[in-house]
Amino acid sequence: GAVVSQHPSWVICKSGTSVKIECRSLDFQATTMFWYRQFPKQSLMLMATSNEGSKATYEQGVEKDKFLINHASLTLSTLTVTSAHPEDSSFYICSAYGLADNTGELFFGEGSRLTVL
Amino acid sequence: QKEVEQNSGPLSVPEGAIASLNCTYSDRVSQSFFWYRQYSGKSPELIMSIYSNGDKEDGRFTAQLNKASQYVSLLIRDSQPSDSATYLCVIGYGGSQGNLIFGKGTKLSVKP
Repeated sequence: GAVVSQHPSWVICKSGTSVKIECRSLDFQATTMFWYRQFPKQSLMLMATSNEGSKATYEQGVEKDKFLINHASLTLSTLTVTSAHPEDSSFYICSAYGLADNTGELFFGEGSRLTVL
Repeated sequence: QKEVEQNSGPLSVPEGAIASLNCTYSDRVSQSFFWYRQYSGKSPELIMSIYSNGDKEDGRFTAQLNKASQYVSLLIRDSQPSDSATYLCVIGYGGSQGNLIFGKGTKLSVKP
């Protein structure tokens, strides 16, 4: 089946630095990619939706200047957490939506656990 | 505004029982319906997808779709403790741009 690869799976950084997380669709073209954040014991929270070649659409309350999303190709989207702070520590998950056999399927990456010291 | 509603739970069932998870949605043009399972600290994984009215069975899982009543459900027969997880309902509105709406998930707990 289709696979979405996310990298890195975990990262520790110092406060004030920026961290980039990559999301790749390995065997299909993803017309749309989604980025989520999940704090411990809480629901998955959609942060933004990105379509290839256009600006991402951010959910209410998500700062677009802090969470930079680039979806430059049909197989790659990146999320950059700029000037990270301890409160940004979370589990970040991407998903990719593509068409398989003329029906849409949504596949999730393995997630990236960010810890900001 | 398109919405997907799920009972957050927790839904607690004894081992061996049938767990019934429900999801309602607001928009009649919905075309694709997905159920994902998420274990704590892990990414969601696809359990079932259903696109037309009726039942779709896969092992112990059955997805039921009723477009007229705008609900989709997931039944888990012979529930096991390993089924304990959060189940996400995701509705697609078709097209290649992935117009998807996510439910907040129902937490299921299967007691041995």
